[in-house]
This record gives sequence, C-alpha cells and structure tokens, in this order.
Amino acid sequence: EAGVAQSPRYKIIEKRQSVAFWCNPISGHATLYWYQQILGQGPKLLIQFQNNGVVDDSQLPKDRFSAERLKGVDSTLKIQPAKLEDSAVYLCASSSGTGQVETQYFGPGTRLLVL
Amino acid sequence: AQSVTQLGSHVSVSEGALVLLRCNYSSSVPPYLFWYVQYPNQGLQLLLKYTSAATLVKGINGFEAEFKKSETSFHLTKPSAHMSDAAEYFCAVSGGSNYKLTFGKGTLLTVNP
Repeated sequence: EAGVAQSPRYKIIEKRQSVAFWCNPISGHATLYWYQQILGQGPKLLIQFQNNGVVDDSQLPKDRFSAERLKGVDSTLKIQPAKLEDSAVYLCASSSGTGQVETQYFGPGTRLLVL
Repeated sequence: AQSVTQLGSHVSVSEGALVLLRCNYSSSVPPYLFWYVQYPNQGLQLLLKYTSAATLVKGINGFEAEFKKSETSFHLTKPSAHMSDAAEYFCAVSGGSNYKLTFGKGTLLTVNP
C-alpha cells in the first residue's frame, strides 16, 4: 500500500513570495491533515479535512495560508505572501476516519526555507 | 484543552542500555495517547497508542509504554537500546470534539556505541 505522498520535498523562496505544497493521501482515507513543524517543536495542526469539508482550521493563519481538498482526495496548501517565520517542515497526514483512536499516517514532509 | 510535556529535549544512552523517554499529559477528557518516531528527513511513524484498554501498551521495535492516570504520565521504554533507535520521539494526546492530536516538543534520542 502506497503511503502519503508529498511534493516538493524542499523549497527555498524569498519573503513575500508565494508557495504551494501538494499532498496525496493513502487511498481511501477520508481525513487529511496539514501540520506545521517548526525546528525544535512538535507538529502543530493547521487544518483538518473530512472528505472535502473543513473540520478544523482554528490554527490556520487565514490572512496568508489557504488549503483546499477538491474531490476529497489530494490537497494543496498555499502560503501567500510568505514570511520568515513560515520556515518549517509542512507535514501531511491521513487517516481512515475521525475517531479518537484513528492512526494518522504521515508523509515525508516539505521543508520550506524563507529567506 | 489538552497539552503534552516531554521531559528532556535530548536523551543519550549507550547501546544495550535501558531507554526511558518521559511524557506527561493534561486533558479535560479521558485521553488517547500516542508515541510517534521521526527519523531524519522522514515523516512521523506510529510506535504505539493507548486506547483505554490495557494500561501497558506494546508497540513496534520492542518499545512499550505504561499509562498511569494518577501520575498523568505515559512514559516510553525499551529494555535494550539499539543504534537504529536513534531518532526523535514525539508524545501526543488526542481528545475533544474533533479528536485533534496535540504533540509534545519531542525528545531526541542518541545511542552511543
């Protein structure tokens, strides 16, 4: 079974530029998550989708970050314009449902450096 | 609200020694608890999870963790460290209406030959 795919793996941009990340979850997984992992910290949930609807985006900086999950499969996360503090690893995860004991499966992440 | 505190950002052990990584949690509802491992330049992989059944949970690669409600702890242990265990370990708690995972800051484990 293929895992969670993410691209690109690495991205370097200058501040005020825009950037987009792509995620393809495990086939059949209804729930998709985007996390931000700043160096030295644990992952922080940015947004959670159930199929193509948003379940939780309370920690998404909506003035610059946006995400969509068209057709309830793959997803894109966009930052526009980027700030220095957005430098982080962006992790995508998926799970088969939304139960408390559901295992989330993580992709390898996209490492973003904003100069 | 829920939170996780991992005591010790860096733990160093010798190969063959006991591994003990500490995690304390705070949750207003009965928690579900997880340990994840992250190898360099990779995503997180689930080691084990506590789901309110047995308090002693066995996971992959010889790791186990014990849920202690009275101490609000979920420490991760392995009797004998292997070089391949060197990685960063994250404790996480799930609870609340949307079952969001809240992670600790992580503990980097190094294993010395």
